[in-house]
Amino acid sequence: DIQMTQSPSSVSASVGDRVTITCRASQGISSWLAWYQQKPGKAPKLLIYAASSLQSGVPSRFSGSGSGTDFTLTISSLQPEDFATYYCQQANSFPVTFGGGTKVEIK
Amino acid sequence: EVQLVESGGGLVQPGGSLRLSCAASGFTFSSYWMSWVRQAPGKGLEWVANIKQDGSEKYYVDSVKGRFTISRDNAKNSLYLQMNSLRAEDTAVYYCARHTPTGTTHYYFDYWGQGTLVTVSS
Repeated sequence: DIQMTQSPSSVSASVGDRVTITCRASQGISSWLAWYQQKPGKAPKLLIYAASSLQSGVPSRFSGSGSGTDFTLTISSLQPEDFATYYCQQANSFPVTFGGGTKVEIK
Repeated sequence: EVQLVESGGGLVQPGGSLRLSCAASGFTFSSYWMSWVRQAPGKGLEWVANIKQDGSEKYYVDSVKGRFTISRDNAKNSLYLQMNSLRAEDTAVYYCARHTPTGTTHYYFDYWGQGTLVTVSS
């Protein structure tokens, strides 16, 4: 199985900050990568798919980049509603696997 | 509006069984692959099983093969997960999730239910 490693595991930031989260795959996955946001007690929400495509309805302050093994999720200007845990997911090969998550906390 | 509503979770003893259901609405259920994804308390996400639109193909994560069975009833717009021989490590919130229409091999999950908690404990 492909292992997905996220860093950092948590980050403290203030409203208005630029936040970058990294996801690394244990082998190349082309651009088959998604990012999800999960708030406590809620289901995950798809933000980005195919590494850089914004899901419908997701604010443009979210962006994704990367290919191969290294990917990033960037929040350009952190908003109060963005405090949550973020997960990456590879869709290159069976079984799909997720990263361990990055918690974005209020500084 | 797409909605997925899970039910059937609860407390079960090790070795016991449970059947989860997911009621779908707001989209043509029979046109989508569907999955179950679980999340142990305080942990990350783990894909469990998926099923093709017509039920002819089913796949499982190794840890549940031979114990869990995914099925669907397109006439009832419903997805199911029969869980047998349950273990403590199966304790998790179980989500049903719709696949993106990006093909059989490469897919993401664009809609999720609210989840149902399964606790395996004596």
